[in-house]
Amino acid sequence: AQSVTQLGSHVSVSEGALVLLRCNYSSSVPPYLFWYVQYPNQGLQLLLKYTTGATLVKGINGFEAEFKKSETSFHLTKPSAHMSDAAEYFCAVSGFSGGYNKLIFGAGTRLAVHP
Amino acid sequence: DAGVTQSPTHLIKTRGQQVTLRCSPKSGHDTVSWYQQALGQGPQFIFQYYEEEERQRGNFPDRFSGHQFPNYSSELNVNALLLGDSALYLCASSLGTVGRSPLHFGNGTRLTVT
Repeated sequence: AQSVTQLGSHVSVSEGALVLLRCNYSSSVPPYLFWYVQYPNQGLQLLLKYTTGATLVKGINGFEAEFKKSETSFHLTKPSAHMSDAAEYFCAVSGFSGGYNKLIFGAGTRLAVHP
Repeated sequence: DAGVTQSPTHLIKTRGQQVTLRCSPKSGHDTVSWYQQALGQGPQFIFQYYEEEERQRGNFPDRFSGHQFPNYSSELNVNALLLGDSALYLCASSLGTVGRSPLHFGNGTRLTVT
């Protein structure tokens, strides 16, 4: 069965510092991988996705993630945090064993950005 | 271009009651998925509708049922409500499978069961 683990339920960084949110997945076949962001009282917005091809994926708002098959990881990074990046971030996977019709989400990481 | 819209935004129900949540997909999308997000957790897949039929279902009891209409809009029905059904219910639409077309989420319906 597929599962997603996000290390760190809360991450705090200073404005301008590097953002690193960790995600590891378990899957018997290469999955599709996603990062979503959720602002308070809102739904989820897609930041970026990996399906096939280049393993370094660039998304919106300056975020990027790298698919590392050997490490079964898909960590999200941003070189310089902005106050507006404060939100909840979810890593998600879809794939063969769970079907490509549904997403399996991690528990989320709440990112705080302080001045 | 209207995105995914859900109604109502908030709802309070009593244990044992029934509830219906509604969703209109993003223009051009034909597939609707429903997710339950309990407080402090990631969303969990309930089911997906395509061509007015349930295409895939998650690990939820039969108390959870749905429907998709010819205009692609969808309803989620929950019978015999339990306190544990309190959550944010998210509707997401897409065109085809998740990999080909990413999910677009609505802002959700916050259901509180007392």
